[in-house]
Amino acid sequence: EVQLVESGGGLVQPGGSLRLSCAASGFTFSSYWMTWVRQAPGKGLEWVANIKQDGSEKYYVDSVKGRFTISRDNAKNSLYLQMNSLRAEDTAVYYCARDRGQVDYWGQGTLVTVSS
Amino acid sequence: DIQMTQSPSSLSASVGDRVTITCQASQDISNYLNWYQQKPGKAPKLLIYDASNLVTGVPSRFSGSGSETDFTFTISSLQPEDIATYYCQQYDNLPYTFGQGTKLEIK
Repeated sequence: EVQLVESGGGLVQPGGSLRLSCAASGFTFSSYWMTWVRQAPGKGLEWVANIKQDGSEKYYVDSVKGRFTISRDNAKNSLYLQMNSLRAEDTAVYYCARDRGQVDYWGQGTLVTVSS
Repeated sequence: DIQMTQSPSSLSASVGDRVTITCQASQDISNYLNWYQQKPGKAPKLLIYDASNLVTGVPSRFSGSGSETDFTFTISSLQPEDIATYYCQQYDNLPYTFGQGTKLEIK
């Protein structure tokens, strides 16, 4: 059974940093692109970033470029999102997901709140 | 970026009704279009990929069609458990973009 479990969310002040983690199991993690999608409270879905199987290609939505970094550790079956210079508008539930173009498996999400 | 315009934003229908949601892309995306269902407090669930392919295990009352810029998602006979918000998503170009969602309610 495919499982994706996010962790690392919480309350952070504007300008602060946070690192999200996603533990994957039930599939060959190193064979898939992985992605982060976020959802602000009461809003729709927004794709944030994705990363190729070997980490050699990474793509970001414009609003997080230069502030967020996606990475992975295939030996640990883990995906990460380093978030720096956080803003109030980054407040959202962040989902880790398997990416085949179609996002076919999602974690339960972790809430990031940016507030003073 | 490719803009996805989904309509309606909300919809009220009765059990047994046929429900249709449309999604229009700002440019040709071939059939690189997926549909998701999201229930309150839950992660989205993939229902249809590549415009018309039903994910294994998803009830056959759900269907999708379309290509290029115009796409349709249909529930042939609405069931109470279908109450959710539905999103389209294109993956022809990065960044992936989603429609704004259609909130489906029971009348």
